[in-house]
Amino acid sequence: AQSVTQLGSHVSVSEGALVLLRCNYSSSVPPYLFWYVQYPNQGLQLLLKYTTGATLVKGINGFEAEFKKSETSFHLTKPSAHMSDAAEYFCAVSGRTSYDKVIFGPGTSLSVIP
Amino acid sequence: DAGVIQSPRHEVTEMGQEVTLRCKPISGHDYLFWYRQTMMRGLELLIYFNNNVPIDDSGMPEDRFSAKMPNASFSTLKIQPSEPRDSAVYFCASRAGTGYGYTFGSGTRLTVV
Repeated sequence: AQSVTQLGSHVSVSEGALVLLRCNYSSSVPPYLFWYVQYPNQGLQLLLKYTTGATLVKGINGFEAEFKKSETSFHLTKPSAHMSDAAEYFCAVSGRTSYDKVIFGPGTSLSVIP
Repeated sequence: DAGVIQSPRHEVTEMGQEVTLRCKPISGHDYLFWYRQTMMRGLELLIYFNNNVPIDDSGMPEDRFSAKMPNASFSTLKIQPSEPRDSAVYFCASRAGTGYGYTFGSGTRLTVV
């Protein structure tokens, strides 16, 4: 079975500061890992994903995440927060077979303070 | 590409009425998912299809919920009869294959009064 935990249901950062959103997963098989962002009244949008290869993955809007197998983590970072980054962020994990379901974490709400 | 299209965007209905939510996935995506999102329970997978065939409906809350995918470009989620506890945002998502991320629609906000 797979699961995802996101430390901190709410994170606040100042504009221009580092954004760090934490994600830890549990999986009995090598996982696929994803980060999604949800803006108010919208659906989820894929930020980035890790499937294989390089463990540092770059995504849209300047975000990146690093897969650390030894720590079972996939934390999301951005060097400098913008006001437009304020949203809900979801980490997700799935297995690698066709019928593996994607399991979403509970989400972290990011606020950016001017 | 217009993305995943859901209709209606908002639905307000009275308890006991039938509600039908609609979804058009991205052309070429062979997986389609229905999710429900609430503050209390987060994102819940209700059912998913592969090549129009339901694969896993274990997340469907009860017999009042049903979903169909008559062809590759259309799916419906029906609630009959609806209850106030069904109030939530319902998302449809499609995916091209294993390892690909989901593309979500904008959701249908359902309010049952």
